[in-house]
Amino acid sequence: DAGVIQSPRHEVTEMGQEVTLRCKPISGHNSLFWYRQTMMRGLELLIYFNNNVPIDDSGMPEDRFSAKMPNASFSTLKIQPSEPRDSAVYFCASSLGQGANVDTEAFFGQGTRLTVV
Amino acid sequence: AQKVTQAQTEISVVEKEDVTLDCVYETRDTTYYLFWYKQPPSGELVFLIRRNSFDEQNEISGRYSWNFQKSTSSFNFTITASQVVDSAVYFCALSDMRYSTLTFGKGTMLLVSP
Repeated sequence: DAGVIQSPRHEVTEMGQEVTLRCKPISGHNSLFWYRQTMMRGLELLIYFNNNVPIDDSGMPEDRFSAKMPNASFSTLKIQPSEPRDSAVYFCASSLGQGANVDTEAFFGQGTRLTVV
Repeated sequence: AQKVTQAQTEISVVEKEDVTLDCVYETRDTTYYLFWYKQPPSGELVFLIRRNSFDEQNEISGRYSWNFQKSTSSFNFTITASQVVDSAVYFCALSDMRYSTLTFGKGTMLLVSP
C-alpha cells in the first residue's frame, strides 16, 4: 500500500486566501484524523472521522477551519480565510477500526507544510 | 483529560551510547494505549510501538526497548548503542480504547553525534 497520501507537500499563500489540504487514507482504514504541528503547541488533533462521519471536531480552532470526508478514500481540510498564525505542518493519519480488539495505530502522511504570509 | 509529559526537551549523545527517553502520562481511563513515534529530520511521523494497558511486559525490538510501568504511569524508551541515524524527535502518545485519537507529548529531540 502507498500509505497515507497528502497534497500538496508545501503550500505558500497570502493572508486572506482560501487553502485546501487533501488526504487519501490507506485503503480499508475507516478512521481518519487531521493533526496540526506547531512549535508552540506541538502536535494537536483537529478533527477525527470514523466511517466518513466527523466524531470529534473539538480541536478545530475556529470557524475558518472546516473538514470534509465525502467518501472513504478522500478528505479535505479547508482554511478560509487563512491567517499567518495558521502556518504549521498539517498531518493526516488513518487507522483501522476503533475499539479494544482492533489494531488502532495511526499511520501518518508526510504532512503539508503551510506558510501564510 | 489525558496528558503526556516528556520532560527531556533535548538529549545529545555520542554514537554507541545507550539513551533512555522518558514518558509520563495521565489518564482517568482504566484501559488505554501508549505509543512511540519517531520524526526524523525529513518530517514524517513513523510509528514505532503500541502498547495496551493490559500488558506491562517490557518489549525489545533490535536496539529498541520499552519499559512500561503502570504503577508510575511511565512508558520509557531506550535505544541501545545509538547510531547517527537515530537522530530525530521522538514522541510519546496516549489514546483511549474507544477512539484512536492521540494525545502527544511535546517530544524529545535526540541528537547522536559520530
